[in-house]
Order: sequence, then structure tokens, then C-alpha cells
Amino acid sequence: SAVISQKPSRDICQRGTSLTIQCQVDSQVTMMFWYRQQPGQSLTLIATANQGSEATYESGFVIDKFPISRPNLTFSTLTVSNMSPEDSSIYLCSVRNEGAGEAFFGQGTRLTVV
Amino acid sequence: GQNIDQPTEMTATEGAIVQINCTYQTSGFNGLFWYQQHAGEAPTFLSYNVLDGLEEKGRFSSFLSRSKGYSYLLLKELQMKDSASYLCAPQDSNYQLIWGAGTKLIIKP
Repeated sequence: SAVISQKPSRDICQRGTSLTIQCQVDSQVTMMFWYRQQPGQSLTLIATANQGSEATYESGFVIDKFPISRPNLTFSTLTVSNMSPEDSSIYLCSVRNEGAGEAFFGQGTRLTVV
Repeated sequence: GQNIDQPTEMTATEGAIVQINCTYQTSGFNGLFWYQQHAGEAPTFLSYNVLDGLEEKGRFSSFLSRSKGYSYLLLKELQMKDSASYLCAPQDSNYQLIWGAGTKLIIKP
């Protein structure tokens, strides 16, 4: 199993600003992911964070809006840039090993943009 | 395309049994996961099926039929703490998890 510390747990931000979310894992993991989840809706994959290289973004998500870093096998950040109220959501960090095991999740970041 | 279908909401009585169904269409298939998500919390792993049949784990069981693209999660002896959303997530040929919208289960006394 993996224990994930995700920070901050919640934040209220002004539109036009940026917020960086951190994800720290207690062990090395091969795969790290960033999701967005609207209340009552499915998990939407934003991107796969790749260690030492650019993240792989899903359709509808771009690096300029959601820059991601992954400097090592235990840490990643997601930045939500130039925020608008439409970015209000829960953002979740998730990790898996070897791409086929169960996924573990951080506690999520509840973001409200005003 | 890839598609997951689960009921949006279900209601059951404490002590009873409930079955949550999931049908899926994916590009290839490498097993299916069920997760539980309490309101305001992260999803937590419940079960994984890769072969046809029933996997039992305490009060929870999960069934898979690959030929029918169908799975269900069976919860027995329901407790109030089982009130949560249950997410079905098949894994495609690239081992990517495809998440359903989840079924909100409401348990009544």
C-alpha cells in the first residue's frame, strides 16, 4: 500500500491567481496521476505525471493551464493557473505501481475560485 | 468509445443486501476495480476481478462476466457506514482505469 499526503486540503482563491497542489508519497511509485472530480460526478483524468519529463495530458487539458512537476518517484505538484470559477472542483492525486495494481488516492484538494 | 454505466442512486435498509450493477465498454480489458468513496473523502479500494466469477471478501463480493461486459458489487448485512458512492472502474488495454460516475448508496435504518 501507499500513504499519500496531499496539500492543501482546501483553499479559496481569487480568479486570475494560481494554486499549486502538492502530493507526497511514503514510498517510490512508478505512476502518479492527477484527477478532477466535480460533486456527484466521475473522476476525470487530467494528466499522468512522468518522472523527469513532461506530463502526459488528456484531451481537454493543457500544460499552460495545469503545469505538473514530478522531480522524483515520491513527489509531484499540480498547478491550476489563471483560475476562473469553472476551476472550482476537487483535485485528487493518485498513484499506482506497474500500471496494473490498485490505485491509491490522496485526500483531495477542495478548490473554490471566487 | 469507452463507456461505463451504473445506477446513479440506490436506497437500501440497514441489515439488508444490495447489488450495484455496472456495465462497461472499453478498448480492451484488463480487469475491473470497485472503489468506495465517502462524501468529501478519497476513493478507497474494495475489490478487483480479472477472471469471470465471484470474489468474496467479508460482507462485500464482486462478480464479473467478461463476455457480457458486466460486473456487480454485492453488499450484505448493510450498515449505516456503508452509505457512500461506489465506483466501477474497468481497466483498458493500456492498463488505464476508466471511471464510472459512481452509484450513491443511501442506507436507511
